[in-house]
Amino acid sequence: GAGVSQSPRYKVTKRGQDVALRCDPISGHVSLYWYRQALGQGPEFLTYFNYEAQQDKSGLPNDRFSAERPEGSISTLTIQRTEQRDSAMYRCASSPLSEKLFFGSGTQLSVL
Amino acid sequence: SQQGEEDPQALSIQEGENATMNCSYKTSINNLQWYRQNSGRGLVHLILIRSNEREKHSGRLRVTLDTSKKSSSLLITASRAADTASYFCAGGSGGSNYKLTFGKGTLLTVNP
Repeated sequence: GAGVSQSPRYKVTKRGQDVALRCDPISGHVSLYWYRQALGQGPEFLTYFNYEAQQDKSGLPNDRFSAERPEGSISTLTIQRTEQRDSAMYRCASSPLSEKLFFGSGTQLSVL
Repeated sequence: SQQGEEDPQALSIQEGENATMNCSYKTSINNLQWYRQNSGRGLVHLILIRSNEREKHSGRLRVTLDTSKKSSSLLITASRAADTASYFCAGGSGGSNYKLTFGKGTLLTVNP
């Protein structure tokens, strides 16, 4: 596609539910990144992939958070047993192995 | 964790004036990037400066980097109302394990 696509755009869920956030990167981009952004803050690194390999997951807050990119293209960020503190904008970015990142519009997650 | 701290947190100027934003970072970097975020939208890459460069220009943008002081500045000349946005610096580090770590941002308001 023309840009990085994330879905859903908004997600409202109840505490304790699992959510899956999807990212469709720019075609051919090798690297895919997940960030979380709280209101008024900069994006905070969560994890990233080169092709299907998860290179770094040091930013995932705890073991309720996981991500996969099984075929080296679309990625899913899953949050299990959501908590109110998980509410934030979740941003995905891709890169053609250059240093510059291309961001999607994000998924706004609200946990009630 | 945040890599950088932008200064000031908020800046309000008149159209036609220049805007200067500063960024300090903590760890060693390969490059320093600046991104813009318009309200409610994704981040857009503006400019990248490598650790062995001191100054770079792109249109109305001028970025400097002082690795001895671990600081960078972004200058926007002849500002326009459309430049109103949040601006983030981001430090890129790692080789094969490349990661981009963002600061908290400067909110720039350009008044017409």
